[in-house]
Amino acid sequence: NAGVTQTPKFRVLKTGQSMTLLCAQDMNHEYMYWYRQDPGMGLRLIHYSVGEGTTAKGEVPDGYNVSRLKKQNFLLGLESAAPSQTSVYFCASSYLDRAFFGQGTRLTVV
Amino acid sequence: QQQVKQSPQSLIVQKGGISIINCAYENTAFDYFPWYQQFPGKGPALLIAIRPDVSEKKEGRFTISFNKSAKQFSLHIMDSQPGDSATYFCAAKVKSNFGNEKLTFGTGTRLTIIP
Repeated sequence: NAGVTQTPKFRVLKTGQSMTLLCAQDMNHEYMYWYRQDPGMGLRLIHYSVGEGTTAKGEVPDGYNVSRLKKQNFLLGLESAAPSQTSVYFCASSYLDRAFFGQGTRLTVV
Repeated sequence: QQQVKQSPQSLIVQKGGISIINCAYENTAFDYFPWYQQFPGKGPALLIAIRPDVSEKKEGRFTISFNKSAKQFSLHIMDSQPGDSATYFCAAKVKSNFGNEKLTFGTGTRLTIIP
């Protein structure tokens, strides 16, 4: 049982480049989330989804877009990366109040 | 605006001692308070959680104490072990309504247990 899988695990981008982070879960969960983790800031919610075809903004959505075309996948896109988006990104899915996290993607924007 | 305030930012405890991490919240709509444990290079994982209808919940060496009137809750780790060294996050969630299922996290506490 893989749980929540994030791809890629590491990435270095140049300012202005675009990329997509993929999150896949095999637990048939309705709810999925993207967080970013920065030192001293904890985990901050970027976007989330309450089911296939739905998305909603979280606490820090600017500069990011998401899509949930299939229930098991939740994609996070950066259209024009900025150094301020250097962070560790975590995807999670949840069921009955319990969130399950992926192992994270460490993104550096230079 | 930090809806869940966590302290301390870092904590060093001797092996066998008690580790205590505190959180405070403002939003009275929160009705679920979990603690997550994160090891380096890993994602957070649920450790223990409490709802405001009880004042304490214990699972093994881990205890949550909850003070509804003060809007505070804390994690106590008894007989702390080096394997407990990790970053701990408190979190809170509003009462379940469809479309509002999201956790608000504290800023984290890096706990180090020394021999």
